[in-house]
Amino acid sequence: DTEVTQTPKHLVMGMTNKKSLKCEQHMGHRAMYWYKQKAKKPPELMFVYSYEKLSINESVPSRFSPECPNSSLLNLHLHALQPEDSALYLCASTPLPFRDRDSGNTIYFGEGSWLTVV
Amino acid sequence: TQLLEQSPQFLSIQEGENLTVYCNSSSVFSSLQWYRQEPGEGPVLLVTVVTGGEVKKLKRLTFQFGDARKDSSLHITAAQTGDTGLYLCAGAPRRGSTLGRLYFGRGTQLTVWP
Repeated sequence: DTEVTQTPKHLVMGMTNKKSLKCEQHMGHRAMYWYKQKAKKPPELMFVYSYEKLSINESVPSRFSPECPNSSLLNLHLHALQPEDSALYLCASTPLPFRDRDSGNTIYFGEGSWLTVV
Repeated sequence: TQLLEQSPQFLSIQEGENLTVYCNSSSVFSSLQWYRQEPGEGPVLLVTVVTGGEVKKLKRLTFQFGDARKDSSLHITAAQTGDTGLYLCAGAPRRGSTLGRLYFGRGTQLTVWP
């Protein structure tokens, strides 16, 4: 099983709504990530969780709130978003948080959640 | 400043033609990954190259990692319409750095016409 599963696949929300994106992996990976991707652009890193603790926040606005309840799950809580936050949100995971040249540290992406803020 | 320069940004060719996409940097990477992404989907890993000078083949796709581990290329032979998509190169940081902090190129949007 080499899957990262994201739900929902599509989400439309108003600027006053509160919603959450969910991500799940059962590969025993100990690092999980949220990326944001605009159309025809490369993904941009938002957050990194390392051993279930937030290790990197790439200066993301507080209206995005990540949560890692356990080693298999990663959530992204959304509140008071702006239309410019509409994008594809990608979850990813790696076996380890830190690069070890001798390990197969491939990063696995989920299919993404399309978010539209109206 | 874009750490990885990917070119060309757009490529539109006929079925059966060959093409090459380049990914260049002034920085050294521990490894470099190539992804293909279709509209509305997440990136799908095609290959990871780790050793300088390494060449990997995946059917009609040939990937090369530069000797100095600063650049890479993707060559597609006899392109098919199913090859259409966004191709992304991503450099992984040096040993000891955060693994998931991939440095992505801007991507190459490939369109193959029948």
